[in-house]
Amino acid sequence: NAGVTQTPKFQVLKTGQSMTLQCAQDMNHNSMYWYRQDPGMGLRLIYYSASEGTTDKGEVPNGYNVSRLNKREFSLRLESAAPSQTSVYFCASSEVGVRVGQPQHFGDGTRLSIL
Amino acid sequence: QQQVKQSPQSLIVQKGGISIINCAYENTAFDYFPWYQQFPGKGPALLIAIRPDVSEKKEGRFTISFNKSAKQFSLHIMDSQPGDSATYFCAAPLGNDYKLSFGAGTTVTVRA
Repeated sequence: NAGVTQTPKFQVLKTGQSMTLQCAQDMNHNSMYWYRQDPGMGLRLIYYSASEGTTDKGEVPNGYNVSRLNKREFSLRLESAAPSQTSVYFCASSEVGVRVGQPQHFGDGTRLSIL
Repeated sequence: QQQVKQSPQSLIVQKGGISIINCAYENTAFDYFPWYQQFPGKGPALLIAIRPDVSEKKEGRFTISFNKSAKQFSLHIMDSQPGDSATYFCAAPLGNDYKLSFGAGTTVTVRA
């Protein structure tokens, strides 16, 4: 049982290049999330998808776009990468929202460097 | 800006000692406070969470407590073990069921 799978695991981009980070979950979860993790900042929510067909902005959405391709897959796109987007990106999923105590399950991250 | 303030940034504890991590929040959509544990190179994983109907919850060596009037909650790791060495994040719901605001994290090192 793979859980949440992110690809690629590592990537180096040049400023201005575009890239799509892929995420897939095999737990039949309804909700999916994209976070970025920076030293001293914890995890910050970029976008989330409460259910298939919906997406909403999180705390730091500028410079990113997302697509909920189907129930399993949620991709994050950087249209024109900037050095400030150098970070570790985590995808997560949950059965429903956190109010009923459902945990978010995280992938192992994509380490992205932008030169 | 961080909606959840977490301290300390790091701590070192001897094997068998107690690790204490504190978090304070400004506002929250509802009372649900999870703690996540992260090992190097891995994603965070839910460790323990507390709901509004209790002020303390214990699971094994991990205890979380919640003080609603002070808007604070904390994690205690009793009898700390080297395998507990990890980064711990507290979180609080921000706005709705799907938005969790995470603290900056505390790196715990347990010396054998």
